[in-house]
Amino acid sequence: DTGVSQDPRHKITKRGQNVTFRCDPISEHNRLYWYRQTLGQGPEFLTYFQNEAQLEKSRLLSDRFSAERPKGSFSTLEIQRTEQGDSAMYLCASSLVSATNEKLFFGSGTQLSVL
Amino acid sequence: AQTVTQSQPEMSVQEAETVTLSCTYDTSESDYYLFWYKQPPSRQMILVIRQEAYKQQNATENRFSVNFQKAAKSFSLKISDSQLGDAAMYFCAYDGTYKYIFGTGTRLKVLA
Repeated sequence: DTGVSQDPRHKITKRGQNVTFRCDPISEHNRLYWYRQTLGQGPEFLTYFQNEAQLEKSRLLSDRFSAERPKGSFSTLEIQRTEQGDSAMYLCASSLVSATNEKLFFGSGTQLSVL
Repeated sequence: AQTVTQSQPEMSVQEAETVTLSCTYDTSESDYYLFWYKQPPSRQMILVIRQEAYKQQNATENRFSVNFQKAAKSFSLKISDSQLGDAAMYFCAYDGTYKYIFGTGTRLKVLA
């Protein structure tokens, strides 16, 4: 068990560029979440997958944002035409859904800075 | 919609003393889970403790315990024998529909 892995740890980009982040969940986990966290705030839900199906998307996830989990394993989050307001920490988390005991395990996040 | 409120932006505690962090939430659901997560300066979110709403017994994990008052929709975290390593942001979180709603956090400072 190597934990939830996110890549890259830091990303600096210019406004208008596209960026893509990757998340590798804990291997047996079937649920995967993306959150966004700005300084001084708690994580805000963006979207989640159960296996390869994207089950819910937040209204925070504009049409510039897209997330995929093509084989039910790793996931990518793409932001097109980045804006300065997209600057934040993007957190991935995974869990194994069971009847009695679901716990979220978080990655270390990708810090995005849009200049 | 569910909400989670942490009304203490910052708390301080002397090393070896006890501190309680407050959290209230709002929901119309009867079955849900509540969590406390710790986020140190590394920003890695670490699960501290978990409570199932259907359980009346308060959860405990070593020096960490909760006071869960379902009717009052209150879920406080007590840290006993505080250690320097406890210094971090603490987030209360609610899970009723699988999307985990977090509060704005309480920064805990531990004084030597």
